[in-house]
Amino acid sequence: EVQLVESGGGLVQPGGSLRLSCAASGFSFSDYWITWVRQAPGKGLEWVGNMNPDGSDKYYVDSVRGRFTISRDNAENSLYLQMNSLRDEDTAVYYCARDGRPGSGFRAFDIWGQGTMVTVSS
Amino acid sequence: DIVMTQTPLSLSVTPGQPASISCKSSQSLLHGDGKTYLYWYLQRPGQPPQLLIYDVSNRFSGVPDRFSGSGSGTDFTLKISRVEAEDFGVYYCMQSTQLPKTFGQGTKVEIK
Repeated sequence: EVQLVESGGGLVQPGGSLRLSCAASGFSFSDYWITWVRQAPGKGLEWVGNMNPDGSDKYYVDSVRGRFTISRDNAENSLYLQMNSLRDEDTAVYYCARDGRPGSGFRAFDIWGQGTMVTVSS
Repeated sequence: DIVMTQTPLSLSVTPGQPASISCKSSQSLLHGDGKTYLYWYLQRPGQPPQLLIYDVSNRFSGVPDRFSGSGSGTDFTLKISRVEAEDFGVYYCMQSTQLPKTFGQGTKVEIK
């Protein structure tokens, strides 16, 4: 079964750090871009950033650039999101999603994990 | 950043009736490669989003043919020919033509 499973969420104080993981199975992880999307409680979806298959390229939304870092370990079929200097407004469910293969022309998020909740509060 | 604006923000529909959602982008979504990277997702309560339509008008695998997407440039539409119980939830359009990828605010489709 093709799936993504996020972990690592929890409660953290403002200014603190947290590392999320996204474990992939059922497909060739190292062939795909993978993306992080977040959803604040009761709000819409916000793209956070993504990384290319070999980890040499990554992009972020302005609101997290310089605070969040995406990395991956293709040997472990895993993507990570290191979140530093966390703010109240980072409180959200964080989803990882499969983002397409280079050269395929397909950029849709076709597989999503169930998400992991991050709460930033004192 | 490209701003995606959906209308209406909520829609009350009787099962069996049609529904239509509009999505307008602040810039053309036509990419230099000739493709238009506009997508539609459905999020049911407590679930992650699921892909319905890619590249404006292509139904994703397993998506019923009562769903259709259309549009070009900056104006796009998702239509459901006959709404069924499983179609209720929040619909989002999203563009992937330019970074950052951006979503519309969402349209909540409820049972009338």
